[in-house]
Amino acid sequence: DGGITQSPKYLFRKEGQNVTLSCEQNLNHDAMYWYRQDPGQGLRLIYYSQIVNDFQKGDIAEGYSVSREKKESFPLTVTSAQKNPTAFYLCASSIKVGTEAFFGQGTRLTVV
Amino acid sequence: DAKTTQPNSMESNEEEPVHLPCNHSTISGTDYIHWYRQLPSQGPEYVIHGLTSNVNNRMASLAIAEDRKSSTLILHRATLRDAAVYYCIRMNNNAGNMLTFGGGTRLMVKP
Repeated sequence: DGGITQSPKYLFRKEGQNVTLSCEQNLNHDAMYWYRQDPGQGLRLIYYSQIVNDFQKGDIAEGYSVSREKKESFPLTVTSAQKNPTAFYLCASSIKVGTEAFFGQGTRLTVV
Repeated sequence: DAKTTQPNSMESNEEEPVHLPCNHSTISGTDYIHWYRQLPSQGPEYVIHGLTSNVNNRMASLAIAEDRKSSTLILHRATLRDAAVYYCIRMNNNAGNMLTFGGGTRLMVKP
C-alpha cells in the first residue's frame, strides 16, 4: 500500500534530550513537510523539502533540524534548544510543493 | 497569516446538507482554494480544491463565488463520521506556497 508513515505514534523524552521523529513515504513524492500542532490550534510549518538534499525553514524552525538524504525519508530532530517541545507532530508529502498533500497519522511527543 | 477566515464552529443534523463558509477577500488570481479536514488525533485529510469553477468529488462539492473572495464547502448529507475540523487554505502553485492552516471550523454532527 502506498502511503506516509510516522513512527512512533507516542514518544516520551526527558527534558534536555534530543529526539528524532521518523517520516517515510512510498508515494514517490518530491516534497515533504513537518508541522507542529498544539491543542485546539491549527498546524504550523516547521520545515519543508522540495527535493532530495534540499530543505527550507518554515514558520517555527528554531529548535528543530531535518535532513533529506533520501527521497522517501524526512526525519525531524527536536533538539534541547526547543523550549516547548511537547506537541503533536505531523509529516506530509506531495508530488510537488503546492499540490494535494498526504499526511501521516502523527507522533505525539511528550517531554517531561 | 492564514489569509482565510472561517467560523470557529458549526452544528448540523445527521443526513442534512452542511455548508461551510470561507472568506478569502485578498485572494490573487492564481491562488487555488484547498479544503482539508482533520479528525481527532489524526493527520489532516485532503477534501477538495478549486480555482474558479465549482468542483465536485465523491466527498464534497466546492462552490466558489464569482469574485473568488469567498467559497463554500458543501457536504450533501452529513454523517457522524463527518464531524471534524475543516480547514480552508489558499494556495498558489506558481509561488510554491506552503499549506498554511488557520484555526478551521469545528463541525459537530448531531444524530
